[in-house]
Amino acid sequence: DADVTQTPRNRITKTGKRIMLECSQTKGHDRMYWYRQDPGLGLRLIYYSFDVKDINKGEISDGYSVSRQAQAKFSLSLESAIPNQTALYFCATSNGELSGNTIYFGEGSWLTVV
Amino acid sequence: QKEVEQNSGPLSVPEGAIASLNCTYSDRVSQSFFWYRQYSGKSPELIMSIYSNGDKEDGRFTAQLNKASQYVSLLIRDSQPSDSATYLCAVNGAGGYNKLIFGAGTRLAVHP
Repeated sequence: DADVTQTPRNRITKTGKRIMLECSQTKGHDRMYWYRQDPGLGLRLIYYSFDVKDINKGEISDGYSVSRQAQAKFSLSLESAIPNQTALYFCATSNGELSGNTIYFGEGSWLTVV
Repeated sequence: QKEVEQNSGPLSVPEGAIASLNCTYSDRVSQSFFWYRQYSGKSPELIMSIYSNGDKEDGRFTAQLNKASQYVSLLIRDSQPSDSATYLCAVNGAGGYNKLIFGAGTRLAVHP
């Protein structure tokens, strides 16, 4: 089983609908992230959380919200989806140690807004 | 100016050649630098990390860092068709350790 699991893996939704992408991890990491990836733009940070009570906006948070339900769970919501939110979304986790700085990615969630 | 810049490619090299991938970054206080490989439709996977000026070798991969020039590169020796992927450069961003800023990636194509 994957250490970082995203659901759903693929979703098509209509403009204006609310959609939630869920992420759970078994790595025991404190830090969790949501990125989106668009062709030619690389990975851009949407939100990140360093622990359950800590939520921070990334570079492109407008139109998104997040919830850190537990150390192992971090969900991303699009309250009213729009077509330019069509992208590949990645959840990621990391530990807080100064050595072995590594981020682990989930398998990605393809979201299409029509 | 983007925080992390890469040439989008594609960079095309013949099998067995050395592929050279380059990355520049704008934040002088960055301390950690990473190269990720991403196959189409898949998640990025870490292949190299480098923290100090100079070279770091791991198998066929060598990462090079020059903080004065704000430049990091990845060399892939004896390139194989299986190396064909997009390579993402990532730099730790402001606001805390472990928050990475990614470049847009360079697509590498290794042809037989």
